[in-house]
Amino acid sequence: DVKVTQSSRYLVKRTGEKVFLECVQDMDHENMFWYRQDPGLGLRLIYFSYDVKMKEKGDIPEGYSVSREKKERFSLILESASTNQTSMYLCASSSRTSRGRQETQYFGPGTRLLVL
Amino acid sequence: QKEVEQDPGPLSVPEGAIVSLNCTYSNSAFQYFMWYRQYSRKGPELLMYTYSSGNKEDGRFTAQVDKSSKYISLFIRDSQPSDSATYLCAMSAGTNAGKSTFGDGTTLTVKP
Repeated sequence: DVKVTQSSRYLVKRTGEKVFLECVQDMDHENMFWYRQDPGLGLRLIYFSYDVKMKEKGDIPEGYSVSREKKERFSLILESASTNQTSMYLCASSSRTSRGRQETQYFGPGTRLLVL
Repeated sequence: QKEVEQDPGPLSVPEGAIVSLNCTYSNSAFQYFMWYRQYSRKGPELLMYTYSSGNKEDGRFTAQVDKSSKYISLFIRDSQPSDSATYLCAMSAGTNAGKSTFGDGTTLTVKP
């Protein structure tokens, strides 16, 4: 079974703090994704990565950065947390076969971040 | 206008009912269609995956894709209280590192 783990289930931080959210997958997937999920707004893509050290902006990258130094690990960084970044953060991963066929995304359990 | 529109719900049905969940989309490049189920305070989990048009059945679940109408559906037969969750449709063109576009989700409650 594919397993995607996230470092924390719940996190409380103060405005202005630097926040690190870690995600690890154990299936050697090439692609990894960070989303935030808010009521009424659905899943919104923050950043994604298709290879080590590669990253691309999603739909809402402002206020976030990412790091992918190893294939299995994808980190989301909030440089200076703000209250409007209070949300559920979801990490996902997917593979791509040699023929380029799309593979589905597997999600972690999520991190509920509260910024005070 | 969003690329993917999902019937917003919420939906409440009695146990044993047939449930229909629907999404429409505007991007004709989409060719991979997924349904995810998300229980409260958990991450989404893949339920069904379909490539191109047609039907796919898995137990009580049937996924239907009509590319000509840009319309996809998920049917749940003999619904159970354990089916109570939020259902997300997702679609992908199969390019750009597997990036998918998600619907906002429909919350389903099945009452015993």
